[in-house]
Amino acid sequence: EAQVTQNPRYLITVTGKKLTVTCSQNMNHEYMSWYRQDPGLGLRQIYYSMNVEVTDKGDVPEGYKVSRKEKRNFPLILESPSPNQTSLYFCASSLLSEKLFFGSGTQLSVL
Amino acid sequence: GESVGLHLPTLSVQEGDNSIINCAYSNSASDYFIWYKQESGKGPQFIIDIRSNMDKRQGQRVTVLLNKTVKHLSLQIAATQPGDSAVYFCAEKGYASGGSYIPTFGRGTSLIVHP
Repeated sequence: EAQVTQNPRYLITVTGKKLTVTCSQNMNHEYMSWYRQDPGLGLRQIYYSMNVEVTDKGDVPEGYKVSRKEKRNFPLILESPSPNQTSLYFCASSLLSEKLFFGSGTQLSVL
Repeated sequence: GESVGLHLPTLSVQEGDNSIINCAYSNSASDYFIWYKQESGKGPQFIIDIRSNMDKRQGQRVTVLLNKTVKHLSLQIAATQPGDSAVYFCAEKGYASGGSYIPTFGRGTSLIVHP
């Protein structure tokens, strides 16, 4: 089954404790991206990757890192999480950055 | 940067009615538009798309209309069902500063279908 898999589904952490949210897709898509979704603000892009070893900042990249060492994986790293990074996060992939396939989301709470 | 917006944050309809969700976009260079549906607790799902060389595209119970003159996009859902209750996002395929294509999303419209 074609899918984008994010883990974990829920995460509660404390300020400053490094965390990684994993994302994997099995569709051989070149384009992958991360979004955060906050009430009233919709989906905002954090980082995207057009291909392996090619990443670029989206609209809200501060406080986040990503890597794209393999085509299928695109982890999101929070080196020192802060409470303003409490949000619902979505990973997505597509063949040509057009029709996106989204993961189920990761609800992150930073205390 | 350019942005995609929605006219109404919430739309309530009766089951069986037709629903129309509107979206305004500001980037006249955008050449591809998509509608997504997001049900509670799930990620957005693709519904239908349209390229700028078309005015209308139909799917199963859904139709997307594109008016390039006024930069307006709409999603029409025929015979709306309770399962259509969700948040609907329009998105345009925009351009990053380096020339890469990136999608830009509107804030979303919540569709509530009453039985």
